[in-house]
Amino acid sequence: NAGVTQTPKFRILKIGQSMTLQCTQDMNHNYMYWYRQDPGMGLKLIYYSVGAGITDKGEVPNGYNVSRSTTEDFPLRLELAAPSQTSVYFCASSYLGRQNSPLHFGNGTRLTVT
Amino acid sequence: GQQVMQIPQYQHVQEGEDFTTYCNSSTTLSNIQWYKQRPGGHPVFLIQLVKSGEVKKQKRLTFQFGEAKKNSSLHITATQTTDVGTYFCAVAKSGSSNTGKLIFGQGTTLQVKP
Repeated sequence: NAGVTQTPKFRILKIGQSMTLQCTQDMNHNYMYWYRQDPGMGLKLIYYSVGAGITDKGEVPNGYNVSRSTTEDFPLRLELAAPSQTSVYFCASSYLGRQNSPLHFGNGTRLTVT
Repeated sequence: GQQVMQIPQYQHVQEGEDFTTYCNSSTTLSNIQWYKQRPGGHPVFLIQLVKSGEVKKQKRLTFQFGEAKKNSSLHITATQTTDVGTYFCAVAKSGSSNTGKLIFGQGTTLQVKP
C-alpha cells in the first residue's frame, strides 16, 4: 500500500502565482486533512474533510481552497501565493469510527514563495 | 477556541538521561494522541489515550493522561540517539470526538548527545 501520497515534493512559486498541491490516499479513509508546518513550529490545520463532498475550515484557512470530489483525493489550492504561505504542507488521512483514529501523513510538500 | 500548550519547546539531554514532555489543555479532552517527527520527516502516530488517568507503555516510552483529562505527558527512560525528533500531542475537544478536527501542540524537540 502506498498510504498517503503527496505531490510535488518541492515547489518554488512567485508571489501571485497559483498552484494545487495534490494528495491521494489508498486506505479508503473517510477523513482527510491539510496541515502546514512552519520552521520550528507545530502543525496548523488548514482544512479537513469528513467525506466526499464535505469540507470544513481548520485553524488557518485563509488563502487556501480545497475540494473532495472522491474519497481518495483531497487537493489543496493556493490562488494568489504570498510569502507567508512559505511552509511545509502535510496531507493526512484517518478512518474515524467512534473515537479519533490515528492520522497517516504523507511525506509533505515544501513550498517556497518568493 | 481549543488551545493546547506543550512544554518544554526544546530539550537537550545526554544519552541515557530521561526526558519528559507535557501537554496541557484549557478544556477537557475526549482523547489525546502523541506523534513523533524525525528531522526532515513526517509525523508518525505513537499512541492514543482515552480514559481518565490512563497510563500506557511502549518499551522505554510511558504515556499518561491526567485524571481531569486536561493534560498528558510522555516520558522516555534512558534516552537513545534514535529518540531524536519532535514529539507532538494532538487533541480533539471533549464532546467532539467524531469531528476529526485534531489540533496539534507546538511540539517538544528532543536532542540527544551521544
